[in-house]
Amino acid sequence: DVKVTQSSRYLVKRTGEKVFLECVQDMDHENMFWYRQDPGLGLRLIYFSYDVKMKEKGDIPEGYSVSREKKERFSLILESASTNQTSMYLCASSTRESTPHPDTQYFGPGTRLTVL
Amino acid sequence: AQRVTQPEKLLSVFKGAPVELKCNYSYSGSPELFWYVQYSRQRLQLLLRHISRESIKGFTADLNKGETSFHLKKPFAQEEDSAMYYCALKFNDYKLSFGAGTTVTVRA
Repeated sequence: DVKVTQSSRYLVKRTGEKVFLECVQDMDHENMFWYRQDPGLGLRLIYFSYDVKMKEKGDIPEGYSVSREKKERFSLILESASTNQTSMYLCASSTRESTPHPDTQYFGPGTRLTVL
Repeated sequence: AQRVTQPEKLLSVFKGAPVELKCNYSYSGSPELFWYVQYSRQRLQLLLRHISRESIKGFTADLNKGETSFHLKKPFAQEEDSAMYYCALKFNDYKLSFGAGTTVTVRA
């Protein structure tokens, strides 16, 4: 079974703080994703990584950066947290290998971040 | 650019009644569509994909390219179907574009 874990379920930070959200997957997946989930807006892609040290901007990258130093770990960084970054953050992974369903994304439990 | 539209934010049905969640998309390429589901206090997970053409938990979805739709249907809703449902479109090999989601409540 694919397991995607996220470092925190709940996080409360103050405006201006630097925030790190960690995601780890144990299935040797090449692709990893960070989304934010907001009511009425669905899931919006922040960043995507298809390999170690490789990244692509998603739909809403402003105010965020990412790091992928190891294949299993993908970090989301808020350089200076703002109140409009209060949200649920979801990490996901998928494989690029020729499996029956290479495009299935497996999600972590989410981190609910509140910025005060 | 690709886009997925789920026009209903909330859907409430009685147990045993049919349920249909609407999904429309716009995409210039060959579409591959999915339904993901998030039950209360659980993580988001794949429900079904149009390529498989299978029924999962009694749900089916047919891709209609003429109407650019991928509606999710179940003839007899159960209380355990209460959840948030997202329609998603695959683009650029591995990325997904999600709709805004529909919250389904099945009442006894």
